[in-house]
Amino acid sequence: KQEVTQIPAALSVPEGENLVLNCSFTDSAIYNLQWFRQDPGKGLTSLLLIQSSQREQTSGRLNASLDKSSGRSTLYIAASQPGDSATYLCAVPNFGNEKLTFGTGTRLTIIP
Amino acid sequence: NAGVTQTPKFQVLKTGQSMTLQCAQDMNHNSMYWYRQDPGMGLRLIYYSASEGTTDKGEVPNGYNVSRLNKREFSLRLESAAPSQTSVYFCASSSRGPDTQYFGPGTRLTVL
Repeated sequence: KQEVTQIPAALSVPEGENLVLNCSFTDSAIYNLQWFRQDPGKGLTSLLLIQSSQREQTSGRLNASLDKSSGRSTLYIAASQPGDSATYLCAVPNFGNEKLTFGTGTRLTIIP
Repeated sequence: NAGVTQTPKFQVLKTGQSMTLQCAQDMNHNSMYWYRQDPGMGLRLIYYSASEGTTDKGEVPNGYNVSRLNKREFSLRLESAAPSQTSVYFCASSSRGPDTQYFGPGTRLTVL
């Protein structure tokens, strides 16, 4: 059974710093990996989808990397802003079927 | 495009009452999903539908039923609500399983 872990559960950093969020998964036979953002009381918004054949995917100040062999992904946020404060979740589909397995998320707070 | 819409946004039920959560998407997606989100547990898949006319159980299907009414709509029914079903419920859709999932804003359900 696929298990997805995100450590730390919460992170606070001063505005302007670069930061890295971590995601690890137990079954490396994944089709892709997705990073989502969730604001308090809201639904999830997809940030990046990185295919299993890719090593990196970039969108603006966000960069996601994927290392299938080690079962790890990182989300790098450059020049953090207070508006980046949210919970970030990663998710992987179980290979060959429809289901996404989610991590429990990292709650990020950017201190002005 | 409205994306994924859910009704109601909030609901309070008494133990034993029934209700149906509604979900609709206007992106012509084949796949639709129902998740519940609980503190410390992350998102867990309740049921999903890979295409119109098909439904399958997810990780936590007990106490729930679903209907894929047509390609746009996917409803979740609680026949006899229990306090353990107090949660935030999210509907999502994707063009196909492993692709980016788009989430609705959620329904906050409290069962007393």
